[in-house]
Amino acid sequence: AQSVTQLDSQVPVFEEAPVELRCNYSSSVSVYLFWYVQYPNQGLQLLLKYLSGSTLVKGINGFEAEFNKSQTSFHLRKPSVHISDTAEYFCAVSDQQGGSEKLVFGKGTKLTVNP
Amino acid sequence: DAGITQSPRHKVTETGTPVTLRCHQTENHRYMYWYRQDPGHGLRLIHYSYGVKDTDKGEVSDGYSVSRSKTEDFLLTLESATSSQTSVYFCAISGRMNQPQHFGDGTRLSIL
Repeated sequence: AQSVTQLDSQVPVFEEAPVELRCNYSSSVSVYLFWYVQYPNQGLQLLLKYLSGSTLVKGINGFEAEFNKSQTSFHLRKPSVHISDTAEYFCAVSDQQGGSEKLVFGKGTKLTVNP
Repeated sequence: DAGITQSPRHKVTETGTPVTLRCHQTENHRYMYWYRQDPGHGLRLIHYSYGVKDTDKGEVSDGYSVSRSKTEDFLLTLESATSSQTSVYFCAISGRMNQPQHFGDGTRLSIL
């Protein structure tokens, strides 16, 4: 079964600094990968997705992620964060093999942007 | 926003009582999911549905049952609620297998 590891449970940064949120998944022949963001007291919102094609994926709010098959990673990056990016971020993987319709989520990374 | 409505949004109940949470969608999507979210655990899949009357278990299905009699509604039932089921419950939908899921706003359930 697939598993997802988000290496940092909390990431504090200062406003306008760059940030990287790390995500590794267990090996599989091919996968679909997603990043979601959750603002306080809200549901999850899709940030970006990797289904196929270019390994650099751009999402909403200036975020991007790079799919690295050899390292089984899908790290999320933003060159300059804002206070409004404070939220919890979840990486998720869907296994293409076996007809699985299920997503497996990491445990989340809380990003806190300080002034 | 995807048309997903969860009800109720908040509920407080006592141990041993039955509880039903409702997820209603207006997108005519095939797949519907119930998750629970707990601190330190992320989101864990309880049950999901891949069509009317077609459901399957997820990672944490013990103590929960589901029903889907119409495309638009997916019900989650706790037959006899326990304090360990205190959580925030999210419904999600997707139109195709392995495509992004869209989430409702959640139901905060407290069992005393």
